[in-house]
Amino acid sequence: SQTIHQWPATLVQPVGSPLSLECTVEGTSNPNLYWYRQAAGRGLQLLFYSIGIDQISSEVPQNLSASRPQDRQFILSSKKLLLSDSGFYLCAWRLGLAGNTGELFFGEGSRLTVL
Amino acid sequence: AQSVAQPEDQVNVAEGNPLTVKCTYSVSGNPYLFWYVQYPNRGLQFLLKYITGDNLVKGSYGFEAEFNKSQTSFHLKKPSALVSDSALYFCAVRPASGGSYIPTFGRGTSLIVHP
Repeated sequence: SQTIHQWPATLVQPVGSPLSLECTVEGTSNPNLYWYRQAAGRGLQLLFYSIGIDQISSEVPQNLSASRPQDRQFILSSKKLLLSDSGFYLCAWRLGLAGNTGELFFGEGSRLTVL
Repeated sequence: AQSVAQPEDQVNVAEGNPLTVKCTYSVSGNPYLFWYVQYPNRGLQFLLKYITGDNLVKGSYGFEAEFNKSQTSFHLKKPSALVSDSALYFCAVRPASGGSYIPTFGRGTSLIVHP
């Protein structure tokens, strides 16, 4: 069966510090991968999605970036955090097959507080 | 463009009573529709989906949802609510074909089940 791992679960970072959140998926190949941010415990904002290695699309221009160094690894980064980067970050995956009905499977999230 | 509306920020129901969480959508062509549940400080969990066929779909934890094409709705239902059903519920839609395979999420509805 497939599993998704996301870490760290919680972190507190000062403004201007770097960020690295990691996500890995096991038990499948060529997944589509997603990073979402959830502010104030409500709506989801899509940040990045990837249909393959080195194929990453950004949905929102900001000081965050994403990389996919391996097929099942997705990393969210920032060189200098802003206060507004605080939030709950969610990684998700879905089967990367044409015709797949497209339900997403989410990690447990990473809560980032920027002080 | 596709969109999802969850008209209620919060739904309150007594334990043992039936519950309904509303969702309406807009999409080009036929829709794929999804419901997810999120418990506090956790990732989203996939509950159920409508792809085609029977308008009443059954999912996890006794939940079901009714697809109504004429009303462009996909309401989530459960015959008898449990206190443990208290959580945040998200509806999502994507087109069955064409366009992006990325689902659009509603803003979420907080379900509170009172003992």
